[in-house]
Amino acid sequence: DAKTTQPPSMDCAEGRAANLPCNHSTISGNEYVYWYRQIHSQGPQYIIHGLKNNETNEMASLIITEDRKSSTLILPHATLRDTAVYYCIVTEAGGTSYGKLTFGQGTILTVHP
Amino acid sequence: KAGVTQTPRYLIKTRGQQVTLSCSPISGHRSVSWYQQTPGQGLQFLFEYFSETQRNKGNFPGRFSGRQFSNSRSEMNVSTLELGDSALYLCASSRNSGTGVNEQFFGPGTRLTVL
Repeated sequence: DAKTTQPPSMDCAEGRAANLPCNHSTISGNEYVYWYRQIHSQGPQYIIHGLKNNETNEMASLIITEDRKSSTLILPHATLRDTAVYYCIVTEAGGTSYGKLTFGQGTILTVHP
Repeated sequence: KAGVTQTPRYLIKTRGQQVTLSCSPISGHRSVSWYQQTPGQGLQFLFEYFSETQRNKGNFPGRFSGRQFSNSRSEMNVSTLELGDSALYLCASSRNSGTGVNEQFFGPGTRLTVL
């Protein structure tokens, strides 16, 4: 079973920031938080990941709370092409998780003009 | 750098047949994972291969099998196809050599329809 809880859907206006929340209250110390997205009819695309510190790359920012029980993916200036299903995934470093990502239902983000 | 490629992109089979799907990972990536995506069950992990060895396996029946070649290319096989095997089959590659950092790069998938 997925270890994360996400809202089933969210809307965002084009040009505004999209803030996608994720709860992972049972996360353990060696588990990372990963975000992927899947645009319709394509394979999932890696966005960003973090362990405990906030992270930023060219696509997005990841804010992880101090207790690590929740996180927020921020798309700073959403465009219509960001409409997709966004998956928050918690996975441990090594061990039985070799190559395995456990996807939940994700959040359908719809960006409106 | 070329991405993950999967062949064929679309496939139609009938119940009872078998099928083989192919995946070519990104150059230099040694880990290949396979996933099944259906509307009802979502994205589910099938198995992962690294250096021609299966390191991890999901909860699928033995009809689903795979292998990896010395050049890291991978194939998965489904025998005795059932209607429920209709799905998008996704392959993902990673540089992951054991650190467990799962930055995976996905291919476009093979859409399998079983009639």
